[in-house]
Amino acid sequence: NAGVTQTPKFQVLKTGQSMTLQCAQDMNHNSMYWYRQDPGMGLRLIYYSASEGTTDKGEVPNGYNVSRLNKREFSLRLESAAPSQTSVYFCASSVQEEVYGYTFGSGTRLTVV
Amino acid sequence: RKEVEQDPGPFNVPEGATVAFNCTYSNSASQSFFWYRQDCRKEPKLLMSVYSSGNEDGRFTAQLNRASQYISLLIRDSKLSDSATYLCVGPVTGGGNKLTFGTGTQLKVEL
Repeated sequence: NAGVTQTPKFQVLKTGQSMTLQCAQDMNHNSMYWYRQDPGMGLRLIYYSASEGTTDKGEVPNGYNVSRLNKREFSLRLESAAPSQTSVYFCASSVQEEVYGYTFGSGTRLTVV
Repeated sequence: RKEVEQDPGPFNVPEGATVAFNCTYSNSASQSFFWYRQDCRKEPKLLMSVYSSGNEDGRFTAQLNRASQYISLLIRDSKLSDSATYLCVGPVTGGGNKLTFGTGTQLKVEL
């Protein structure tokens, strides 16, 4: 019963490098989300996907792109990493947000040097 | 103004104490809220849902006060293992099904 699986768990990048954070859920959820969490800032929404085939920007989308590959998978790409993107990234999914809330993955700790 | 706001704490309480957190929200039409628990360096995990009728689960009680637009979380007989950050969560105004998170209230339960 995996739930939401994120890879990798840790990553160090150099400024300007690119990488993709992977997220997969096995709960048949329609909605998937990417958040970043920084000290004192709380969780901020980067991008979300209400259903397979759709994606929309959240409050902090600059510097990121996403792909909803299928119903299970939602990836987050950093095309040219910057130190300001050092953060903890969480993927989440939901079947009915107002009733069940979100289920989160265990997070990816990203450091950009 | 943030849609949900919390006192960041920390709340330092002795083991066995009763502690309560409040969270204010800005959208009077909001109807469902959640409390999440987040341990250090871990993901947030759902603790309780909060509806108009409130919710109780063992030592934890969550309530919704519509008149004053706040939700509360009461923890009775605090345990060392309750030490964590508690996140208040509500709907995004005009945001479809999206949820918004408070910045969290830190609880430290001490011997």
